[in-house]
Amino acid sequence: NAGVTQTPKFQVLKTGQSMTLQCAQDMNHNSMYWYRQDPGMGLRLIYYSASEGTTDKGEVPNGYNVSRLNKREFSLRLESAAPSQTSVYFCASSEAQGGQFFGPGTRLTVL
Amino acid sequence: KNEVEQSPQNLTAQEGEFITINCSYSVGISALHWLQQHPGGGIVSLFMLSSGKKKHGRLIATINIQEKHSSLHITASHPRDSAVYICAVQKTSGSRLTFGEGTQLTVNP
Repeated sequence: NAGVTQTPKFQVLKTGQSMTLQCAQDMNHNSMYWYRQDPGMGLRLIYYSASEGTTDKGEVPNGYNVSRLNKREFSLRLESAAPSQTSVYFCASSEAQGGQFFGPGTRLTVL
Repeated sequence: KNEVEQSPQNLTAQEGEFITINCSYSVGISALHWLQQHPGGGIVSLFMLSSGKKKHGRLIATINIQEKHSSLHITASHPRDSAVYICAVQKTSGSRLTFGEGTQLTVNP
């Protein structure tokens, strides 16, 4: 089992460009999450999906959209990237009352 | 004030020392999680606990629900334990986690 996979691992964008971060899990988990991690701050929830077909905003959703394509996949889209979105992005999955499993992260730089 | 506070922010130890990292929280929770983030960036879950104490190898996690406090102990520390240790709480209302800022641990040989 691969666990949680994310693509790409690294990305550099120019201000205003768009991109989609991909995440997939093979553990048959219902819940999936997108976080960002910035220096000096804890992980912050951007969006989450409690089950296939549902998505909800987290703490910092502005500038992002998500799609829960099916039970396995949960993508994060930046429509018009801004330098403030420079961060490391983590996808995670879990069962409702279980521990979370994290992907390896995507390091995004917006110039 | 953050809902989850960790101390210390940074900790340097000599190999073999006993290490304690503390986590205090201010909300009702269904579970508390301890996570480890390696220098390469990967995050792994160490413990999930809702009461008492759990042990895995040289790692011990305890929680006191009444005092809203948890500790992570590392016995006989080793340089490979150098990492960021993150406390996170799962509120009683769902599966979402709220994270502390992490404790950077460095164990010197």
